[in-house]
Amino acid sequence: DTEVTQTPKHLVMGMTNKKSLKCEQHMGHRAMYWYKQKAKKPPELMFVYSYEKLSINESVPSRFSPECPNSSLLNLHLHALQPEDSALYLCASSLGTSGYYEQFFGPGTRLTVL
Amino acid sequence: QQQVKQSPQSLIVQKGGISIINCAYENTAFDYFPWYQQFPGKGPALLIAIRPDVSEKKEGRFTISFNKSAKQFSLHIMDSQPGDSATYFCAARDTGRRALTFGSGTRLQVQP
Repeated sequence: DTEVTQTPKHLVMGMTNKKSLKCEQHMGHRAMYWYKQKAKKPPELMFVYSYEKLSINESVPSRFSPECPNSSLLNLHLHALQPEDSALYLCASSLGTSGYYEQFFGPGTRLTVL
Repeated sequence: QQQVKQSPQSLIVQKGGISIINCAYENTAFDYFPWYQQFPGKGPALLIAIRPDVSEKKEGRFTISFNKSAKQFSLHIMDSQPGDSATYFCAARDTGRRALTFGSGTRLQVQP
């Protein structure tokens, strides 16, 4: 199984809502990532988890809250988002962060903030 | 310091032609250079990658050329096919941060 799954595929939320994005992999990978991708732009790194511990936070606003409950699962909790946060949110995983390991990306969650 | 510059922004190639996409960087701490292919509505997928101790790597129709002294690397797609039409991103990994920085992307269209 070389797949990273993300749910939901699409999400529409108001600025006062609380929602969560979910990412799952069963490849035994110990590094997991959240990226944000705006239309016609490259993915921008948000967070990196290594062995279930947050290792990189790219100065992301606190309205985005990541969580790694176990080595297979990564969540992104959303609260009080702004319309400019509308984007494709991509999850990725890799065997680790220290070697030349391929990052496998999920299909993304298309988020629209009204 | 973290930037990876990619060109061209878009590229139109005839079927059977060669597609060439270029990237340049400044950060000497970059130690791994992957290329990703992304189709609309999908996540990026690794196409081919190279380390700086190698000047060229070929996998099927895809070749990476790497020039360490010039801090440049490029992707060549030989015998380009309409199915290659996608957005291509170069990337570079910082050996310290161990995180990828992506180029701005090239939208490739291969005409039949």
